[in-house]
Amino acid sequence: SQTIHQWPATLVQPVGSPLSLECTVEGTSNPNLYWYRQAAGRGLQLLFYSVGIGQISSEVPQNLSASRPQDRQFILSSKKLLLSDSGFYLCAWNRGGNTEAFFGQGTRLTVV
Amino acid sequence: DQQVKQNSPSLSVQEGRISILNCDYTNSMFDYFLWYKKYPAEGPTFLISISSIKDKNEDGRFTVFLNKSAKHLSLHIVPSQPGDSAVYFCAASALYRGSQGNLIFGKGTKLSVKP
Repeated sequence: SQTIHQWPATLVQPVGSPLSLECTVEGTSNPNLYWYRQAAGRGLQLLFYSVGIGQISSEVPQNLSASRPQDRQFILSSKKLLLSDSGFYLCAWNRGGNTEAFFGQGTRLTVV
Repeated sequence: DQQVKQNSPSLSVQEGRISILNCDYTNSMFDYFLWYKKYPAEGPTFLISISSIKDKNEDGRFTVFLNKSAKHLSLHIVPSQPGDSAVYFCAASALYRGSQGNLIFGKGTKLSVKP
């Protein structure tokens, strides 16, 4: 069966510090990978998606970047965090096309 | 501009009664719709989906209805149970040339089922 791992579960970082959140998927190959953010009072906003190694598409302009160094690994990064980067970050995968996506447990990021 | 809208931020229902969660969309290219359930501090879990070629899909206590002409879908939970209390997200995707079928989510509706 397929599983998705996302870490850390919670993170408190000072403004201006770097960020690296990691997500890995097991039990499938060549998944589509996604990073979503849930800000307070808002829905799930798609930040980045990837259909293959090294292929990253950004949905919204922002202070963050994403990378996919391996088929089942997706990393969300920032060089300098802003207060507005606080939120609940979720990694997800699906098989592409019109299929359901499966989510990780999320990372609560608080920038102070 | 929101393409998927859940206009009710919250809903309270008595245990055993029906819960009806609503969702509207604006993009006529959407052809696949999903409902997710989310508990605090956890990732959303997939509940049920429907393709635009259908107008109803049922799975146990959960039924999704799709009205394409009105660009509206709803999730019915019957009977509602206290364990159903969570935030429910509606999502939609479109698979056409140039699209990856990415899921676009609404803002969610918080359902409270009271014993």
